[in-house]
Amino acid sequence: NAGVTQTPKFQVLKTGQSMTLQCAQDMNHEYMSWYRQDPGMGLRLIHYSVGAGITDQGEVPNGYNVSRSTTEDFPLRLLSAAPSQTSVYFCASSYSGAKNIQYFGAGTRLSVL
Amino acid sequence: AQTVTQSQPEMSVQEAETVTLSCTYDTSESDYYLFWYKQPPSRQMILVIRQEAYKQQNATENRFSVNFQKAAKSFSLKISDSQLGDAAMYFCAYLPIQGAQKLVFGQGTRLTINP
Repeated sequence: NAGVTQTPKFQVLKTGQSMTLQCAQDMNHEYMSWYRQDPGMGLRLIHYSVGAGITDQGEVPNGYNVSRSTTEDFPLRLLSAAPSQTSVYFCASSYSGAKNIQYFGAGTRLSVL
Repeated sequence: AQTVTQSQPEMSVQEAETVTLSCTYDTSESDYYLFWYKQPPSRQMILVIRQEAYKQQNATENRFSVNFQKAAKSFSLKISDSQLGDAAMYFCAYLPIQGAQKLVFGQGTRLTINP
């Protein structure tokens, strides 16, 4: 059981480049989310999805796009990377059931030069 | 909007001693969940303990326990018999029961264990 898988683990981009951070889960979870972690600020929610075809914005959505075409996958797209997007990105998933526990991927460290 | 505050950026404790990490939160909801997550140098987010606001009994998981004070909106984590493997960043997090599962995190506390 792989859980939540994020790729790549590390990435360096130049300002203006685009890329997609991949997230996949094999637990049939309805909810999936993207967070970014910056020093001294904890994790902040970027976008989330309550099921295939349904997405919504979190606390810091600007500069990021998401889509959810399947239950398993929830990619995060940076259309034109900026140095302010240098961060560690985490994907998480959970059931809508009683436990409400979110399971996290191992994270992607992104540097934008 | 809900907020979570961890006022201790860094803490240290001697191995085998007990340490308490503080967390306060602000919400107008009456029912919610609270969590402590551990993030070791590997960067993986690991769930340590979970508390349901409607339960008065404090949650415990082996050496980890919480002091949940709902009226004071306080949720501290106590680690007993500290071990070197407990060294990590610890994040307090709030999750509303109603609506989408949008975790709100505190800023984190870096815990150092001195041998």
